[in-house]
Amino acid sequence: KQEVTQIPAALSVPEGENLVLNCSFTDSAIYNLQWFRQDPGKGLTSLLLIQSSQREQTSGRLNASLDKSSGRSTLYIAASQPGDSATYLCAVRAAGNMLTFGGGTRLMVKP
Amino acid sequence: GAVVSQHPSWVICKSGTSVKIECRSLDFQATTMFWYRQFPKQSLMLMATSNEGSKATYEQGVEKDKFLINHASLTLSTLTVTSAHPEDSSFYICSASKASGYEQYFGPGTRLTVT
Repeated sequence: KQEVTQIPAALSVPEGENLVLNCSFTDSAIYNLQWFRQDPGKGLTSLLLIQSSQREQTSGRLNASLDKSSGRSTLYIAASQPGDSATYLCAVRAAGNMLTFGGGTRLMVKP
Repeated sequence: GAVVSQHPSWVICKSGTSVKIECRSLDFQATTMFWYRQFPKQSLMLMATSNEGSKATYEQGVEKDKFLINHASLTLSTLTVTSAHPEDSSFYICSASKASGYEQYFGPGTRLTVT
């Protein structure tokens, strides 16, 4: 059974810092890995999707990497802003289209 | 493109009543839709997968007679919580996919409170 773990569970940083969120998964037989953002009481916003054959994806200040063999992914946020405060979820997709989510990292960026 | 809506965004119901939540794909046809449940400060847990025109597949531990899922068209799936109890209070999120293996697009969620 696939298990997804995110570290840290919570993170508070001052504005402007670069930061790294970590995601690990137990079964490397995945099709892709996706990073989402969730604001309190809201749904999910997809940030980046990395196919199993890819090593990284970039969108603006966000960069996600994938090391499938070691079961790890990182989300790098450059020059963090207060508007980046949210919960960040990673999810892996295995056979059958099923997504398995990690527990999330709650990020607070202080002005 | 790839917008998914949910209705209602929040609902309060009394214990013992039933409540229906709708999930719609607004600009694409979704052959597969998924229903997730999220308790406070926890992650999303898949409840069931539904394919248009067929019965839903429920995850282990999810009561199919309590959580009725209908996916009668390519743009609409409904989740009915029957005989709701306070422990059913949660945030319910749906997602839709154009086909098996394609990316899932998520709805904004429905907050259910059972009093």
